[in-house]
Amino acid sequence: ELKVEQNPLFLSMQEGKNYTIYCNYSTTSDRLYWYRQDPGKSLESLFVLLSNGAVKQEGRLMASLDTKARLSTLHITAAVHDLSATYFCAVDSGGGADGLTFGKGTHLIIQP
Amino acid sequence: DAGVIQSPRHEVTEMGQEVTLRCKPISGHNSLFWYRQTMMRGLELLIYFNNNVPIDDSGMPEDRFSAKMPNASFSTLKIQPSEPRDSAVYFCASSLFGSVQPQHFGDGTRLSIL
Repeated sequence: ELKVEQNPLFLSMQEGKNYTIYCNYSTTSDRLYWYRQDPGKSLESLFVLLSNGAVKQEGRLMASLDTKARLSTLHITAAVHDLSATYFCAVDSGGGADGLTFGKGTHLIIQP
Repeated sequence: DAGVIQSPRHEVTEMGQEVTLRCKPISGHNSLFWYRQTMMRGLELLIYFNNNVPIDDSGMPEDRFSAKMPNASFSTLKIQPSEPRDSAVYFCASSLFGSVQPQHFGDGTRLSIL
């Protein structure tokens, strides 16, 4: 059974600081996704990571994937309040053909 | 382009009643997924379809849950009879089978069973 673990589950940080969210998964996969969810809203896709060593960046967010370590990271640089949300990583073990297994999510609060 | 459309957005009903949730995937997408989100269990995959055919329903919690996809543009998730523990947000998502693109999620149906 595929398991996906995120840490931390809760994170409160100040604007301007840097931090990293970690996502570990238990079985082989070459597809990892990061989603953002605002309270009461749907899930918005942030990144799709498809191969070992993949790195993608969008604004203050950067995601990376190490398939050998079964680890993905989401790095936040110089955080701003608008990045406050819950961030989920999700793994597809079926090569794009299966449903996703989600982590529990990281609830991120960025304070002025 | 229209995204994944779910209805209703909110549903409040009494225990024992039948509940039907509806989903219209993005045009051209041929994979459809139903997920459930609760505080206790997080996001769980219930069932998914490829080309209208159910592929894996192992996430469906009980026989009270059933899902259909009669055509490429419509799917339903039915709960009969409903119970308070079914209260959750139910998301539908769609994607293009085998594509590297992510799944696109609808706005969800917030279901409350009294």
